[in-house]
This record gives sequence, C-alpha cells and structure tokens, in this order.
Amino acid sequence: QVQLVESGGAVAQPGRSLRLSCAASGFTFSSYAMHWVRQAPGKGLEWVAVISYDGSDKYYADSVKGRFSISRDSSKNTLYLQMNSLKTEDTAVYYCAFGAAAGTAIDSWGQGTLVTVSS
Amino acid sequence: QSALTQPASVSGSPGQSITISCTGTSSDIDDFNYVSWYQHHPGKAPKVMIYDVIDRPSGVSDRFSGSRSGNTASLTISGLQAEDEADYYCSSYTSRSWVFGGGTKLTVL
Repeated sequence: QVQLVESGGAVAQPGRSLRLSCAASGFTFSSYAMHWVRQAPGKGLEWVAVISYDGSDKYYADSVKGRFSISRDSSKNTLYLQMNSLKTEDTAVYYCAFGAAAGTAIDSWGQGTLVTVSS
Repeated sequence: QSALTQPASVSGSPGQSITISCTGTSSDIDDFNYVSWYQHHPGKAPKVMIYDVIDRPSGVSDRFSGSRSGNTASLTISGLQAEDEADYYCSSYTSRSWVFGGGTKLTVL
C-alpha cells in the first residue's frame, strides 16, 4: 500500500537551514506530482509547495517563496524540502503528500515531521 | 494566496445534518471547479471527503456531500455520527497553487 514517511524534522534556530525528506513506496513515485503541506501548532493546514512528476515544474506558497526549495530523486523514490532562512513562523508539522485518484485534491498523506524554529 | 474563510466551529447532535461553508474570492472558487474538503482527526493524516466540489472518493460515506454557489462552497454532513467529530478544511486549486481554509471544528453533541 501507499506509504509516505517523512524525516528530518528537528529544532533549529532562526536563520538556519533544515532539509526534510519523504520516502515513498507502494506506488509509481515518478508518475505523480508531490506536495509539502504544513500545520503550525493550533493552526490550520497550509499548502507549502508542489513539484511536478518529472521535477521540471515547482510552485511555492508566497510565505516560503525564495527560502524553501522542493526537489525529488526518482531513483531513490524520495521527495525533499530544503528550508533556508528559517523563521519562527515556520514551526509546524510538515506533511508529504500527493494526489492520485481525486482530481486536484491531495488524497495520500504521510504522518508528518515536526520542525521547531526557536532561539 | 489568501486563505479561504470557514466558520471556526459548528456543532450538531447525532442524526442531525450540518453544513460548513467555505468562502473565497472570485479567483479562488468562482472560476474553478476544484474545491475539495478534508477531514482531520488530531494526530492523523488528513482525509479527502469531497473533491472537485461534489465528487466523493471511493470509500467515503454518502452522508458527506459538497456543493458550490458563486464564491461559496459547502460541505454537508447528514446523519451525524460521533466519529464525524473532527476538524474540516476546504481547499481550492487555482493558478498552480493550492489554498486551504482556516478550518472548522465540528463537535457532535
């Protein structure tokens, strides 16, 4: 079955960098666009970024544009999120996700990894 | 990329029906048919309940239904059950980006 396992969450100081990874299995990773979505403590879901199935197109939320970079390695079935110039407001659980069978909806999600940005 | 507007909370008794609204700008909802709804139990992965405004994924109860009028989309849950208690989010796809609503906490009394 579909599995998305995020890793790399940690405590980081403002201004520092972190890289999240998402190991995918149970589906043809190279056929699907992949997303990162986050949820800050006590807040709602926020879409972060998407990368096309072949990595040629990438789009970002305004809140992370210029600081975060999404990428993928289909040889490793792995999705990445490079987070630079971290801010306290980036503190959140980060979910790796994709949409397979529900139009443009995001219908498969990982369990998330926690990023805490604090001095 | 402004967040879509949802009521913070709604409640209902078992067996009743409730409706959650989701309002966006004309560029968020009115021009597109790509509104989806997610159920999120704390500590679990979000689950799609409705996509493309009115469609239900396989396995989702027909107690869940979606609609849209102008720039407002709605999720209706009929025959409320205790397990429906959760946070619900609307989302819209537009111009190569996705935007979520602020979320609505559903309490089953």
